[in-house]
Amino acid sequence: AQTVTQSQPEMSVQEAETVTLSCTYDTSESDYYLFWYKQPPSRQMILVIRQEAYKQQNATENRFSVNFQKAAKSFSLKISDSQLGDAAMYFCAYRSALGETSGSRLTFGEGTQLTVNP
Amino acid sequence: EAQVTQNPRYLITVTGKKLTVTCSQNMNHEYMSWYRQDPGLGLRQIYYSMNVEVTDKGDVPEGYKVSRKEKRNFPLILESPSPNQTSLYFCASSLEARSNQPQHFGDGTRLSIL
Repeated sequence: AQTVTQSQPEMSVQEAETVTLSCTYDTSESDYYLFWYKQPPSRQMILVIRQEAYKQQNATENRFSVNFQKAAKSFSLKISDSQLGDAAMYFCAYRSALGETSGSRLTFGEGTQLTVNP
Repeated sequence: EAQVTQNPRYLITVTGKKLTVTCSQNMNHEYMSWYRQDPGLGLRQIYYSMNVEVTDKGDVPEGYKVSRKEKRNFPLILESPSPNQTSLYFCASSLEARSNQPQHFGDGTRLSIL
């Protein structure tokens, strides 16, 4: 079974600075998808960024980018120019590409609570 | 507006009193799923459905039931709730099970079982 680990329960960053959230995962599969979700105090689950395992190029969405290291099974999220609105719980998630065998569940990490200081 | 709608958003109830949390999506998605979120554990899948009348257990199915009689609806049933089912619950959907498209989440239901 796949597992996802976020080793930083809490992180803080100064407004306008850059912060990196860590995520590692364990899988024997070669084809899968990785996601970062943001959960603000409103409890909504908001997709931040996604990465297909077969793509070598790291995904980027505006101020958010990832460092995907497939061999190391690492998927970190970098937030540049942090804003107060970035304060939230961030979840890393894994999804197998083999939908029929695993139910395509999202396997989540424990979450990292990000605080942005003004 | 494309969305996943859960009801209720909050519920406080007592042990043993049957309850249903409804979930409806308007995106014609085939795949639907229920998760529970607990501190320090992230989100864990309870049940999922690949299509109408096709459901299967996720990682933590004990104490829960689901049904998928219509494509848009996927209710979560707790027939005899217990305090260890106090949690934040999310319904999610995606176009298909193997798609790389992300799952769309509802706004969550906070259940407290006394």
